[in-house]
Amino acid sequence: TQLLEQSPQFLSIQEGENLTVYCNSSSVFSSLQWYRQEPGEGPVLLVTVVTGGEVKKLKRLTFQFGDARKDSSLHITAAQPGDTGLYLCAGFFSGNTGKLIFGQGTTLQVKP
Amino acid sequence: KAGVTQTPRYLIKTRGQQVTLSCSPISGHRSVSWYQQTPGQGLQFLFEYFSETQRNKGNFPGRFSGRQFSNSRSEMNVSTLELGDSALYLCASSWAGEYNEQFFGPGTRLTVL
Repeated sequence: TQLLEQSPQFLSIQEGENLTVYCNSSSVFSSLQWYRQEPGEGPVLLVTVVTGGEVKKLKRLTFQFGDARKDSSLHITAAQPGDTGLYLCAGFFSGNTGKLIFGQGTTLQVKP
Repeated sequence: KAGVTQTPRYLIKTRGQQVTLSCSPISGHRSVSWYQQTPGQGLQFLFEYFSETQRNKGNFPGRFSGRQFSNSRSEMNVSTLELGDSALYLCASSWAGEYNEQFFGPGTRLTVL
């Protein structure tokens, strides 16, 4: 059972465009994390959101956690080629120690 | 702080063999989790160790096992390798805080021929 649905799966855009990636679930998470992964490397943690309705900004990246803590979004403003990579959302259930539930990922390509 | 390290980075094995992968967590982190990443299934949780004890386990066959040492370093072992075990194996360490923030190593790319 895929508990986290991530969309879109693939995104190819021009430099300077904006984009949003969505992460949806029917389950309530204690926290949700966003990672970025480059080919041949491990995922790198971008942000953790824990409070319903929370918004966090990291330069041109804006992360939002849904009010009910079941969904999240990642918005990138004025995308750059350096943003290219695989973006993964991962949810954590309190008590389910050490285990993150990952979405299938969004492959982003930003063309110069 | 040094990040999570994994060795080896690449490994080629044949069906039926066994393999051991190693992970050194970030200093001070006592929790180590292992994941398998494949194009079809994405990242799937294998197991988690904390203070040398397995605390959580995913839905993988018994051929997949692990252990953790007193210095928090961890190893995972896969016995009787199958073609479908070809994957990127990722280790993640955490200080096991409330929100389970995990920091990943670069992974070991295992190819089974």
